[in-house]
Amino acid sequence: EVQLVESGGGLVQPGRSLKLSCAASGFTFSNYYMAWVRQAPKKGLEWVATISTSGSRTYYPDSVKGRFTISRDNAKSSLYLQMNSLKSEDTATYYCARPRSTGPVNWFAYWGQGTLVTVSS
Amino acid sequence: DIQMTQSPASLSASLEEIVTITCQASQDIGNWLAWYQQKPGKSPQLLIYGATSLADGVPSRFSGSRSGTQYSLKISRLQVEDIGIYYCQQASSAPTFGGGTKLELK
Repeated sequence: EVQLVESGGGLVQPGRSLKLSCAASGFTFSNYYMAWVRQAPKKGLEWVATISTSGSRTYYPDSVKGRFTISRDNAKSSLYLQMNSLKSEDTATYYCARPRSTGPVNWFAYWGQGTLVTVSS
Repeated sequence: DIQMTQSPASLSASLEEIVTITCQASQDIGNWLAWYQQKPGKSPQLLIYGATSLADGVPSRFSGSRSGTQYSLKISRLQVEDIGIYYCQQASSAPTFGGGTKLELK
């Protein structure tokens, strides 16, 4: 059974940093692109980052480019999101997500339960 | 960025009714379109991918279709467990989601 378990969320002040983790199990982690998707309270879904299988290629929307860094450790079956210079608009539940199949396809068949990040002074 | 315009924003329907939600892409995305369902307090669930393919374990009352750059999700006979928020998402380029459709029981 595919499982994705996020951790690392919490309350953080504007301008500070936070690192999220996602522990994956139930599949061969190194075979899949992985992504982070967020959802602000009572709002819709927003893609945040994608990383290739080896970690050599990363992709971001303009809203987080230069502030967020996605990374992975295939030996530990873990995905990470380093978030710097946090803003109040980054307040959201952050989901770790896996595509339905291998390859650079951006629809997500598996989601974690999410971890809440609140940026506030 | 490719914009996805989803309608309606909210919808009230009766049990067993046919429900249709649409999504308009701002440019050609081919069949690179997915639909998700999100129930309150839960993570999104993939329903449809490739515009028309049913995801694993999804009831056959759900179906997807495409006409040019307009995409539709149809629920053939609404059930209680179908209540939630539905999102479309394009996967042709950097992923973007529609604004969501809140489906309620009448």
